[in-house]
Formats: sequence, C-alpha cells, structure tokens
Amino acid sequence: EDQVTQSPEALRLQEGESSSLNCSYTVSGLRGLFWYRQDPGKGPEFLFTLYSAGEEKEKERLKATLTKKESFLHITAPKPEDSATYLCAVQEGGNEKLTFGTGTRLTIIP
Amino acid sequence: DTAVSQTPKYLVTQMGNDKSIKCEQNLGHDTMYWYKQDSKKFLKIMFSYNNKELIINETVPNRFSPKSPDKAHLNLHINSLELGDSAVYFCASSQWDRGTDTQYFGPGTRLTVL
Repeated sequence: EDQVTQSPEALRLQEGESSSLNCSYTVSGLRGLFWYRQDPGKGPEFLFTLYSAGEEKEKERLKATLTKKESFLHITAPKPEDSATYLCAVQEGGNEKLTFGTGTRLTIIP
Repeated sequence: DTAVSQTPKYLVTQMGNDKSIKCEQNLGHDTMYWYKQDSKKFLKIMFSYNNKELIINETVPNRFSPKSPDKAHLNLHINSLELGDSAVYFCASSQWDRGTDTQYFGPGTRLTVL
C-alpha cells in the first residue's frame, strides 16, 4: 500500500528565514507526486506535480524537487502569506487516487 | 467563476438522519472524487467516478452512496449518520487522459453530527 510521510508536522519560521519541508513516500510505480497548499477552512490548492526523479519546479518563493524516495518543498525568504498547511500526495501508475501525507503546518512570523 | 463548488458549506445534523452533499465542476473534467478529511487533517479518498461510472470505492461504509447524474456533478448521500461521520468532505475533479491529471478541489463541506 502507498505510504506518504511528511516532516516536520509543524514549522515556525521568521519572515525571510528559508527552510525545507520533506515528503517521504513508498509507492509501486510512481505516476506523479503532488504538492498542495491548504489554508484554514478551504480546499487544497494545487501547487506542483513532479513525475520523475531529478525533476524540479518553481513558483515564486517555492521550489519542489523529487528523488526516488522523497520530495522536498523549499521555501526561500518566506512571507507571512506563505503560512498554510502544505500537503504532499502520490499517485500510483494506473490508479487515479491520491494518497496524501498528513501535512506540514507552516507558520511565518512577521 | 468557481471551478469546483460544493453545497452546503456547513451541515449540522442529528445522529440517525440522512443527508446529501452536492458537487459541481465547470472545468470540463471527466473524473470526480470524494475525499474525507478527519479532525487530524488527514485527507483520504472515498470514491471516484469517471464519465458517470464508479471506478474507485475505498473501504467506506455502505451508508455512503455516491451518485453521478452527469460528468459535471457528483453527489454524496449519507444514510443513518453517526458521530464518526463528522469531518470535512471535499469534492475534486480531474481530466484523466490529458497526461497532467491534476486534481482540483472544492471548498469543502463541514459535516457535524450531534
């Protein structure tokens, strides 16, 4: 069965303090690894999809990378508006469902 | 223009009642999903429909019955509600055959069973 573990559970950073969130996964034949952002009281908002080891994608202050066992979401010089829960999910080849991790709750302190 | 919408946003009801949640997407996608997010924020797939056909049915009590009247709509009916059904339910949609089958989520329906 697919497994996704995210760490840390919670992370507090000062504004401008860069860091990384980790997503470790076990899946038989990865089709895609997805990163979502979820604000309180809202649905997950799509950020990135990574399909193969070595792939990287960037959006503003966020950069996602992928290896065969884990993905990192790097956040550079974060701002308070980057505060949210970041969810990682994997999709196995031939299967539409996403298996989610429990998320990292990120708080950026002004 | 809302891409994936759900109604109602909040639902408070008594144990034993029957309730429905509705979902609509205007993205032209052919696949829709129901996910449940528990109190610990863990998001888990319940059902998936592709072109009105059920393709994923995880281990969910048969009190939960999804219905897809057309590709743009997926409703969730819950019979004999129990306390443990309290959660946030998210609808999502994707286009499976485009290669980038990203799932887009609705705003969620917070169900509270008293």
